[in-house]
Amino acid sequence: DIQLTQSPSFLSASVGDRVTITCRASQGISSFLAWYQQKPGKAPKLLIYAASTLQSGVPSRFSGTGSGTEFTLTVSSLQPEDFATYYCQQLDTYPFTFGPGTKVDIK
Amino acid sequence: QVQLVESGGGVVQPGRSLRLSCEASGFTISNFGMHWVRQAPGKGLEWVTGISYDGSNQDYADSVQGRFTISRDNSKNTVYLQMSSLRAEDTAIYYCARDWFASGIFDAFDIWGQGTMVTVSS
Repeated sequence: DIQLTQSPSFLSASVGDRVTITCRASQGISSFLAWYQQKPGKAPKLLIYAASTLQSGVPSRFSGTGSGTEFTLTVSSLQPEDFATYYCQQLDTYPFTFGPGTKVDIK
Repeated sequence: QVQLVESGGGVVQPGRSLRLSCEASGFTISNFGMHWVRQAPGKGLEWVTGISYDGSNQDYADSVQGRFTISRDNSKNTVYLQMSSLRAEDTAIYYCARDWFASGIFDAFDIWGQGTMVTVSS
């Protein structure tokens, strides 16, 4: 199975900060990677697919880069509604594993 | 309105069975692969199983292989998860999700249900 790791696992930041989360795959997955945002008590929400394509309706302050084994999700200027947990997911090979998540909290 | 609504969750004893349903509205599931993803209390997301658009292929996480079965009835626009030999570690919120091919070969889970809670306890 392909394993995903995320760093950091927890991040404390302020409104307006630039935030970057890294996701690493245990083997190459080309660009078969998606990013999701989850708020407490809610279902995950798709932010980015194909490693770098912004889902319709998602603010442009979110961006994704990477291919192969290393990927990043960046929020250029953190807004109050962005405090949540973020997960990466690989869709290269079954099982479609998720990363362990990165919780972004208010400093 | 495009949405998925799960049902069938509840409290069940270890070793027993339970069937979850996921009804779609606003779109036809026959055009999409569908998946179940679970989240244990306070934990991260775990992909459980997926089924192809026509039901011809299914895949399972090792943790549920041989105990869970995914199926679909495209005429009812509904996906099912039959869970048997349930264990305490199966306790989780179970989400249904649509597998959307955004650009040819690249896909992602673009529509999620609100989830249904399954608690396995004696």
